[in-house]
Amino acid sequence: DAKTTQPTSMDCAEGRAANLPCNHSTISGNEYVYWYRQIHSQGPQYIIHGLKNNETNEMASLIITEDRKSSTLILPHATLRDTAVYYCIVRVRSGAGSYQLTFGKGTKLSVIP
Amino acid sequence: NAGVTQTPKFQVLKTGQSMTLQCAQDMNHEYMSWYRQDPGMGLRLIHYSVGAGITDQGEVPNGYNVSRSTTEDFPLRLLSAAPSQTSVYFCASSMGSSGANVLTFGAGSRLTVL
Repeated sequence: DAKTTQPTSMDCAEGRAANLPCNHSTISGNEYVYWYRQIHSQGPQYIIHGLKNNETNEMASLIITEDRKSSTLILPHATLRDTAVYYCIVRVRSGAGSYQLTFGKGTKLSVIP
Repeated sequence: NAGVTQTPKFQVLKTGQSMTLQCAQDMNHEYMSWYRQDPGMGLRLIHYSVGAGITDQGEVPNGYNVSRSTTEDFPLRLLSAAPSQTSVYFCASSMGSSGANVLTFGAGSRLTVL
């Protein structure tokens, strides 16, 4: 399985960009990188995903290195409401030909006023 | 469009009791799954289904049963509850089971087993 490694916690000043790193050195060629976040004990919220190319949506940008061994989630202008646990996940192939999300412990991002 | 709906939101059981956590989605998603989350931990996969009539085990299946008789519903059954099953349970669904399909999660069901 492709495992991910993330810092346990990070701080970011309100209004600044938050850059959350993730290592996934054993990722396979057809496995996607996903980012979710979880605020308190709510259900995980999808942020963005990508395979090889950099991606951007209304919430964030995802930068994937050319060798695909690491990626960075960028929240361009962090607000207090972005305080959450952020999970970097590789969706790996498992039984019955399906792909599963395997969650780690994530990065606790604290946005500071 | 309600997305993924889980019931109940909170439940307290005594050891040995049985119960069913309900999960329903109205997005015509083929893939559905159940996760549990313990304090300070990430989510762990219990069971999943790639379509009606098809289920498979995840990382932590012991003590749980599932069935998928319709596309919309994927209930999780606890046969004989144990304190170790105290956790928050999340149901999730996606259009398909390929790596490109985005999982949508429900709001969770918090279970306490005394």
